[in-house]
Amino acid sequence: DGGITQSPKYLFRKEGQNVTLSCEQNLNHDAMYWYRQDPGQGLRLIYYSQIVNDFQKGDIAEGYSVSREKKESFPLTVTSAQKNPTAFYLCATRDRGITEAFFGQGTRLTVV
Amino acid sequence: RKEVEQDPGPFNVPEGATVAFNCTYSNSASQSFFWYRQDCRKEPKLLMSVYSSGNEDGRFTAQLNRASQYISLLIRDSKLSDSATYLCVVAGNNRKLIWGLGTSLAVNP
Repeated sequence: DGGITQSPKYLFRKEGQNVTLSCEQNLNHDAMYWYRQDPGQGLRLIYYSQIVNDFQKGDIAEGYSVSREKKESFPLTVTSAQKNPTAFYLCATRDRGITEAFFGQGTRLTVV
Repeated sequence: RKEVEQDPGPFNVPEGATVAFNCTYSNSASQSFFWYRQDCRKEPKLLMSVYSSGNEDGRFTAQLNRASQYISLLIRDSKLSDSATYLCVVAGNNRKLIWGLGTSLAVNP
């Protein structure tokens, strides 16, 4: 199946621990994005990458880190520096040109 | 002023009603426009791209007004299954997508 796979779907972690969220795509899209969504809120951009080995901070990058070593993969690490990490995390991809974004099913992270 | 603004609603309408959402954007250089639908606790899914000439897909019609910098979504003959949050998205040439906060629609029997 073609698409975007985020794993795991649900993730529980203790406060103070780093955690890495996976995002894999087989759509051959250049651009990949990480968003955070809090209950009743809109999507906020954390990081995005337009090409392998390059990425840019979004609006709320503090406390997060990413890597883009392969076109297919764009993992997000939520570090202990992120003050309120509990949220719904969405990974998206876009092809070249003026195109729409496609989303994975999301990872719901709960930090206790 | 926010880059993309939507009325959060909620819009409560009876089945069969026609409902319209507007979305305004601040950057006149914006190049592409989309409407997404998001169900509770799910990922957003593309509903329609919005073209300058307007476009229609079944019960859904999207329009773009560049002069006034807004896009609209019209839903005719509302179904219970149309209940969701509708997100407006605007993109420039820097590959960033600017998302509205969404408009909540509840279609009631």
